[in-house]
Amino acid sequence: SAVISQKPSRDICQRGTSLTIQCQVDSQVTMMFWYRQQPGQSLTLIATANQGSEATYESGFVIDKFPISRPNLTFSTLTVSNMSPEDSSIYLCSVGNREGERPYEQYFGPGTRLTVT
Amino acid sequence: DAKTTQPTSMDCAEGRAANLPCNHSTISGNEYVYWYRQIHSQGPQYIIHGLKNNETNEMASLIITEDRKSSTLILPHATLRDTAVYYCIVRVPIMEYGNKLVFGAGTILRVKS
Repeated sequence: SAVISQKPSRDICQRGTSLTIQCQVDSQVTMMFWYRQQPGQSLTLIATANQGSEATYESGFVIDKFPISRPNLTFSTLTVSNMSPEDSSIYLCSVGNREGERPYEQYFGPGTRLTVT
Repeated sequence: DAKTTQPTSMDCAEGRAANLPCNHSTISGNEYVYWYRQIHSQGPQYIIHGLKNNETNEMASLIITEDRKSSTLILPHATLRDTAVYYCIVRVPIMEYGNKLVFGAGTILRVKS
């Protein structure tokens, strides 16, 4: 199974500022995803991070608010821009492979707990 | 996307089998059933997945009905460390960009001594 690390593990930020979260995986993977988990809620997919091209965002999420980079097959960043208290959540990185490529399961990082004051 | 329905919460005695049901009556023929769990303050953990046949691994067994409209995750000997939120997910097939997981509310499983 893939080992995923995220930095930072937690942070407290002031409103109006931005935070960049890093995700590093120990092996090359085809797919990388970013999820958000608001307090007491389930996970919501923000976007699929694509290597060498713009990320694919889910409905309700936009690039200006959540810019994503993926320079290679083992690393991605998610930036939470112009933060407000509503952005207080756990942000999780996930990795997996393209349909038809084994293994089919996805692996999740430990998450970044963000609090915006 | 196929939707899943799970009970909000369940209790199980330590050492007994935990049977977690999931309904996915609108599942399509090429969609897999995945199970993940999330222990408090951790990222979700993959448990098992299947298409139509029953599956077993070192963590659990997955029983899928013949019509594929429902499934049951079985933890054969639940321990206190199995207390978690369990998510039943039907994979959304995206031809170009691989597997996207859509999480529902899940089932809170409480294992009690």
